Amino acid sequence: EVQLLESGGGLVQPGGSLRISCAASGFTFSNYVMSWVRQAPGKGLEWVSAISGGGGSTYYADSVKGRFTISRDNSKNTVYLQMNSLRAEDTAVYYCARRSSAETGYAFDIWGQGTMVTVSS
Amino acid sequence: DIQMTQSPSSLSASVGDRVTITCRASQSISRYLNWYQQKPGKAPKLLIYAASSLLSGVPSRFSGSASGTDFTLTISSLQPEDFATYYCQQSYSSPYTFGQGTKLEI
Repeated sequence: EVQLLESGGGLVQPGGSLRISCAASGFTFSNYVMSWVRQAPGKGLEWVSAISGGGGSTYYADSVKGRFTISRDNSKNTVYLQMNSLRAEDTAVYYCARRSSAETGYAFDIWGQGTMVTVSS
Repeated sequence: DIQMTQSPSSLSASVGDRVTITCRASQSISRYLNWYQQKPGKAPKLLIYAASSLLSGVPSRFSGSASGTDFTLTISSLQPEDFATYYCQQSYSSPYTFGQGTKLEI
């Protein structure tokens, strides 16, 4: 079964750091671009970051550029999001998502269940 | 950055109704437009990709269309399980922006 499972969320103080993870199974992980998408409480979806299959290319939303770092370990089928200098406005459920192939329009076709990150003192 | 403007933000409808949700891109995105359904407390689910292609397993009452930078999601006959929030998203270029969402309510 194709699956993504996030972990590592929790409560962190403003200015603090947190690393969240997403473990993939059921597909050839290294063949896919992976993304993080977040959703603040009661709000819409916001794309955060993406990383190419080999890890050589990374992309960020302006709201997190310079503070967040996406990485992946293809030997462990896992993608990470290192979040530094966290702010209250980073409070959200963070979803890991697989980007599909060109044949299916590069959509986010598989999603994890999400992990909650709360930034508060 | 490409802005995605989705309307309406909320919509009241009844079982059996035909509903249409619109998404407009701020510039050309070809057909790189996707639609997702999200229910409370759950992750989004892909319904339609490339503007009008139905994901396998998605009921045929869902359909998508495109005209220039305007995109439409149509549900032909609402079922009780369709009451949810719907998002459009462009996959043409980074940042891969979403529309604001449309909450479909009874």
